Amino acid sequence: DQQVKQNSPSLSVQEGRISILNCDYTNSMFDYFLWYKKYPAEGPTFLISISSIKDKNEDGRFTVFLNKSAKHLSLHIVPSQPGDSAVYFCAATQGGSEKLVFGKGTKLTVNP
Amino acid sequence: KAGVTQTPRYLIKTRGQQVTLSCSPISGHRSVSWYQQTPGQGLQFLFEYFSETQRNKGNFPGRFSGRQFSNSRSEMNVSTLELGDSALYLCASSPWTDSYEQYFGPGTRLTVT
Repeated sequence: DQQVKQNSPSLSVQEGRISILNCDYTNSMFDYFLWYKKYPAEGPTFLISISSIKDKNEDGRFTVFLNKSAKHLSLHIVPSQPGDSAVYFCAATQGGSEKLVFGKGTKLTVNP
Repeated sequence: KAGVTQTPRYLIKTRGQQVTLSCSPISGHRSVSWYQQTPGQGLQFLFEYFSETQRNKGNFPGRFSGRQFSNSRSEMNVSTLELGDSALYLCASSPWTDSYEQYFGPGTRLTVT
């Protein structure tokens, strides 16, 4: 039973355009959501997070949107750069737990 | 500040053997979590240690165990290895428990033949 789902295994966008990565979850007890970026042969790197009491959080080119009623979150990258090419993981947790539940990732390719 | 380090980076073992992986967290971090990454299942939580105590455990068999030392370094052990244990094992540290943001090491790639 996959509690966090990233339904698009891959996404390709042109440099300078917007990248939108989507994530759905089923567990309504999740109250904190995170995005991680992973390059080959490296561990995941924390990117941005959002608490369930918010619906938007911005950090530079990265914005995460949370729609609790739809149990959906998305990561927007504007403008996309070739260096953003990586696998992006959505993760969720509840009650301050260290236990992160991850989606299976979306491979983003930004073409020059 | 040095990041999370994991040793060894690559390991090849035979079915039935046991293996120990090591993780040194970021200096000052006291919480260490372990994850298994496989192509089919993605990243799955194994367990979390804080102050030498296991605080959370994922849904893995008892062949998977871990411990944490007083200097916050952690080890995980897998006994009676199976082919399906082949995976990337990732360690993550955070400054304290109940901290959402974790910092990952590069992982140990375990291959079981």
